[in-house]
Amino acid sequence: GAVVSQHPSWVICKSGTSVKIECRSLDFQATTMFWYRQFPKQSLMLMATSNEGSKATYEQGVEKDKFLINHASLTLSTLTVTSAHPEDSSFYICSASPPGLEKLFFGSGTQLSVL
Amino acid sequence: GQSLEQPSEVTAVEGAIVQINCTYQTSGFYGLSWYQQHDGGAPTFLSYNALDGLEETGRFSSFLSRSDSYGYLLLQELQMKDSASYFCAVGGQAGTALIFGKGTTLSVSS
Repeated sequence: GAVVSQHPSWVICKSGTSVKIECRSLDFQATTMFWYRQFPKQSLMLMATSNEGSKATYEQGVEKDKFLINHASLTLSTLTVTSAHPEDSSFYICSASPPGLEKLFFGSGTQLSVL
Repeated sequence: GQSLEQPSEVTAVEGAIVQINCTYQTSGFYGLSWYQQHDGGAPTFLSYNALDGLEETGRFSSFLSRSDSYGYLLLQELQMKDSASYFCAVGGQAGTALIFGKGTTLSVSS
């Protein structure tokens, strides 16, 4: 199956700092990647759709200036949580789908803890 | 908007059969997917139904009725390792995002 790699797996940071999360498709090209957030015991909430070479599309209620997304190549999307606060602490997961497939492959996720 | 309903918890014993139902309301429906997620892990794909009927993959089967906006995941010969959260999800055509239900926590005991 297709492989999506996400890094780092976990990060602890101080309030007010920025954190960058990388998502790579290792064996396929992804013009589109998706970023989800998941709080404990809750569902995966779509945050934004990352589009290679163009602006990301954010879901309603997600601050685009706080969650910066860059999709500079066909295999890499990054999510930067800017000026992180404790309420941003969550599990962030990226996903992508090889062309023509209906199923998503997920990265291993990043557990962010903001102190 | 889109919404999916599934039970929050299900318990069963090893060797049993469990059915997790999912009803959905969505525009532009293309198919119903099921994902499994263990604690602390990433979701993994289980099945996808675009057409009415039953899809079988080993111990897991998935069913879809488009006219009823309903589907289910059937898990047979339950094992302890099947204890996890199971999410139904709807999405558009290939390459589009999925919208997930709230998830069903399955606990399998011996």
